[in-house]
Amino acid sequence: EVQLLESGGGLVQRGGSLSLSCAASRFTFSNYAMNWVRQAPGKGLEWVSAISGSGSNTYFADSVKGRFTISRDNSKNTLYLQMTSLRADDTAVYYCAKGDDSVPAAAFLDYWGQGTLVTVSS
Amino acid sequence: SYVLMQPPSVSVAPGQTATITCGGDNIGRKSVHWYQHRPGQAPVVVVYDDSDRPSEIPARFSGSNSGNTATLTVSRVEAGDEADYYCQVWDVNSDHVVFGGGTKLTVL
Repeated sequence: EVQLLESGGGLVQRGGSLSLSCAASRFTFSNYAMNWVRQAPGKGLEWVSAISGSGSNTYFADSVKGRFTISRDNSKNTLYLQMTSLRADDTAVYYCAKGDDSVPAAAFLDYWGQGTLVTVSS
Repeated sequence: SYVLMQPPSVSVAPGQTATITCGGDNIGRKSVHWYQHRPGQAPVVVVYDDSDRPSEIPARFSGSNSGNTATLTVSRVEAGDEADYYCQVWDVNSDHVVFGGGTKLTVL
């Protein structure tokens, strides 16, 4: 069974930075696109970012573009999300989600991690 | 940017059929995926590519997509189906994943 384990969440001050990781196992990591999706308290799911299987193509929601960076290390089976200039409205549970294809555009999200909570204090 | 519209809530008695809609401009031309999200758990895909179903998902879950509306149908609803349901597409114009606002399914 595919496993996705997020880490790195925590409390950070407004304007600060935080880096999330997602350790993947039990599938060929480099063959699949990966995504970050978040859920703010009391809100719905919001897509944050995606990266192709090779890592050569990245995509960002307008709300985080220019502040967040997505990357992956296929040799370590790990996905990353570097978050800077954090705002109160970035407070959310952040989920790592695997695509079922190497290209984000062609993929639905077939496996999700349990999420890691990021709290931005004002 | 592309917008997906879902009703905030749907209520149904056990054993009845729940219908959850997802509206979008010419959504029938896109592949629609549906996720079930129970509180405190990871989301789970219940329907992908409009009407396909992962092998572990009961056949009671089905999907359709045409025109400006995609639909998730849950037949013979059970208490365990109570959850939030989200539709999702890929918007080629913005290169964004787009989620609908979510629908809370309540089993009466």
